[in-house]
Amino acid sequence: QVQLQESGPGLVKPSETLSLTCTVSGGSISNYYWSWIRQPPGKNLQWIGYIYFSGSGTTNYNPSLKSRVTISVDMSKNQFSLKLSSVTAADTAVYYCARATSGRNPFDYWGQGTLVTVSS
Amino acid sequence: DIQMTQSPSSLSASVGDRVTITCRASQGIRNDLAWYQQKPGKAPKRLIYAASSLQSGVPSRFSGSGSGTEFTLTISSLQPEDFATYYCLQHNSYPRTFGGGTKVEIK
Repeated sequence: QVQLQESGPGLVKPSETLSLTCTVSGGSISNYYWSWIRQPPGKNLQWIGYIYFSGSGTTNYNPSLKSRVTISVDMSKNQFSLKLSSVTAADTAVYYCARATSGRNPFDYWGQGTLVTVSS
Repeated sequence: DIQMTQSPSSLSASVGDRVTITCRASQGIRNDLAWYQQKPGKAPKRLIYAASSLQSGVPSRFSGSGSGTEFTLTISSLQPEDFATYYCLQHNSYPRTFGGGTKVEIK
């Protein structure tokens, strides 16, 4: 059974960089699309971007966040990571990592989510 | 971006009721539509993908239909554990976009 677990600081200061890691267990990280999705408190879900690793990593980011987002993978640890720079209070949200098998088979496994608050 | 519009935004229903939720896409997305259920404090759980394919382990009272721009999630007989918020997701193009959610509450 595939399991995903997010980890990282729960509090980030404005203008700093938010960094989260998703650890994948029970399966390989290769040949799947690994996404980050966020949900501000009481609001809608927003897809942030994905990384696909098959020899080399391919990324695709939401244009609304593209200038501030980097998603990377560490195959040796079966992990992938999110960095979001220059954060503001609007980036306060629960951040989820999720897996997609293909474009036709989206987000079947999710992490439990981690709340990140942006505040000084 | 493809805009996904869900209706209603909330509804009240009783156990045993038949419930229908609609999702409309701002442009055609073939049948690239998934439905998720989210309970408070939990991650979304996939119910349906490719508009009508039932996720393994999901009860058969859940069904999905539609193609192009209009889609429907139906719960044939609402159960106590079905009270939650439901979201649609288009998986036709990037960026992936979600509907605004439908909160199903107890009448």
